[in-house]
Amino acid sequence: KQEVTQIPAALSVPEGENLVLNCSFTDSAIYNLQWFRQDPGKGLTSLLLIQSSQREQTSGRLNASLDKSSGRSTLYIAASQPGDSATYLCAVENDSNYQLIWGAGTKLIIKP
Amino acid sequence: GAVVSQHPSWVICKSGTSVKIECRSLDFQATTMFWYRQFPKQSLMLMATSNEGSKATYEQGVEKDKFLINHASLTLSTLTVTSAHPEDSSFYICSARDRGTGLNQPQHFGDGTRLSIL
Repeated sequence: KQEVTQIPAALSVPEGENLVLNCSFTDSAIYNLQWFRQDPGKGLTSLLLIQSSQREQTSGRLNASLDKSSGRSTLYIAASQPGDSATYLCAVENDSNYQLIWGAGTKLIIKP
Repeated sequence: GAVVSQHPSWVICKSGTSVKIECRSLDFQATTMFWYRQFPKQSLMLMATSNEGSKATYEQGVEKDKFLINHASLTLSTLTVTSAHPEDSSFYICSARDRGTGLNQPQHFGDGTRLSIL
């Protein structure tokens, strides 16, 4: 059974710092891995999708990496801003049933 | 970009009421839509997979008679919480995949419905 873990559960850093969020999964048979952002009481915004054959994806200040063999992904945020404050969720899509399995999220606070 | 509209965004009602939540794909056709539930400070849990023109597939532990799903068209799926009780209070989110883009594209999510049962 696929399990997804995100570390840390919460993170608070000053504005301008670069930071890394971690995601690990137990079953390497994935179709893709996705990073999402969720603002309080809101829905989800898809940030990056990494296909199982890819190693990384970049969008603006965000860079996500994938090491499928070790079951790890990282989300790197460069030059953090207060507007980056949100909960970041990692989800893997199983290649057996194409369902998304979710991590519990990392709550990120960027202090001005 | 692809947009999924979820309505209503917030519902407060008395115990015993049935509540219908709509999930619409606005600019694409979705053969499959997904319904999730999220309790405070927890991650999303898949409730069911909604397939156009056929019965929904429910996850273990989700009562199909409690959570009725109808996916009557390629752009609309509905979730009806029947005879809702306080323990059904939660944040419900739907998602849809554009059938024209293949499986290796992200699901598009609605903004969620916060359901509060008094």
